[in-house]
Order: sequence, then C-alpha cells, then structure tokens
Amino acid sequence: DAGVTQSPTHLIKTRGQQVTLRCSPKSGHDTVSWYQQALGQGPQFIFQYYEEEERQRGNFPDRFSGHQFPNYSSELNVNALLLGDSALYLCASSLGTDTQYFGPGTRLTVL
Amino acid sequence: EDQVTQSPEALRLQEGESSSLNCSYTVSGLRGLFWYRQDPGKGPEFLFTLYSAGEEKEKERLKATLTKKESFLHITAPKPEDSATYLCAVQAKTGFQKLVFGTGTRLLVSP
Repeated sequence: DAGVTQSPTHLIKTRGQQVTLRCSPKSGHDTVSWYQQALGQGPQFIFQYYEEEERQRGNFPDRFSGHQFPNYSSELNVNALLLGDSALYLCASSLGTDTQYFGPGTRLTVL
Repeated sequence: EDQVTQSPEALRLQEGESSSLNCSYTVSGLRGLFWYRQDPGKGPEFLFTLYSAGEEKEKERLKATLTKKESFLHITAPKPEDSATYLCAVQAKTGFQKLVFGTGTRLLVSP
C-alpha cells in the first residue's frame, strides 16, 4: 500500500516566479492538508482540503492557493515567490478527522 | 491560541541511556496529541496518538504519556538509530483538523 507521495522532490525557483507542488494521498484517505516547514522549525499549517473545497486556512497570504481533485489528490500553488518561501513543503493525508500521515516533502529553494 | 512547547531543544545520549522528552501544550479542548519522528530532509513519521489524560502508548523503546497540560516521550535504552527530531502536535476539538506543532527535540544517540 503506497503511502503519501509528493512531487517534485526538489525545486529551485527565482523570486517572482510561480510554483506548483503535487500530492497523492494514502489509499483510502479523503482529506489533504499542506504544511510549510522552515529549517529548524516545526511544520506550519497552510490549509486543508476536503471534498474538493478548502476547509480551513492558516495564516498564509493569498499567494498560497490550492486545489483538490475528484481522486483526492491535491496541488499547492505559490505565486510571486519570495526568498522567505524557501522551505520544506509537506502534504499530509487522513480519513476524516483521523491521524494525519505525511509525505516525504518537496524542498523549495527560492533564489 | 493553541500552543505547543517542546523541551529540551536538543538532547545527546549515550547508547542505552534512558531519558524523556517533554511537550507542554495549551489548547481549547484537546481532540488529540500526536508524536512524530522526523529524519533530516524527510517528512514526519507517525508514532503515537493520545486522546485523554492518563493514556499511555508504547512502541519498541518508546512510550508516550499524557496529562492535562503535557506529554512525555520516554526513550528506554536508546540505540543510535533512534537519532532524529521528535515532533509533538495538538489538534483541537473545535474547528477541523489543523495540527499545531512544537519546534521539536533533536535527539542524538552516540554508540
């Protein structure tokens, strides 16, 4: 049984560009949450998707947006990249309110 | 606002030297407290969920306990492969599934 998968593994962008990160949830899971983890910090909640709608959002600007598809997979889009957006982006999936399982992450570097 | 504080920030142990990691939390009604293990550059790996004060969970050399204000992760006779960052997170009963994380404890076990 495949766990949560994310792509790409690593990404290098320049300031002002746009990026799309992808996540496939664990089999049987219907909820996807996205987190940003800066070096040496704990993950920070960005937003959560359920039934193709954004259900909850953390303290992140509108430059961060997302989408969930009918097969429960999800995308995270970040526009107008800033140097401070450099981080490990984590996707977590769950079934309803059950335990969240994390993917391996996407390392984004903004130059 | 929900908050999690972990201590110590870093811990160095000799192989076989048991110790405990602390997670203090404030939350508006606890739905669950979660422990994850994270290796460098990887996504968090789920360890335990605790739901109510007095609950305990064990897995190999790890044991997690919960009170109304804090949780402990006890590591008995650790091995070098236990070296990792251990993250604690809380989930409130109100709202949805957002996890609020601490900054983690970096554990290094020397042979």
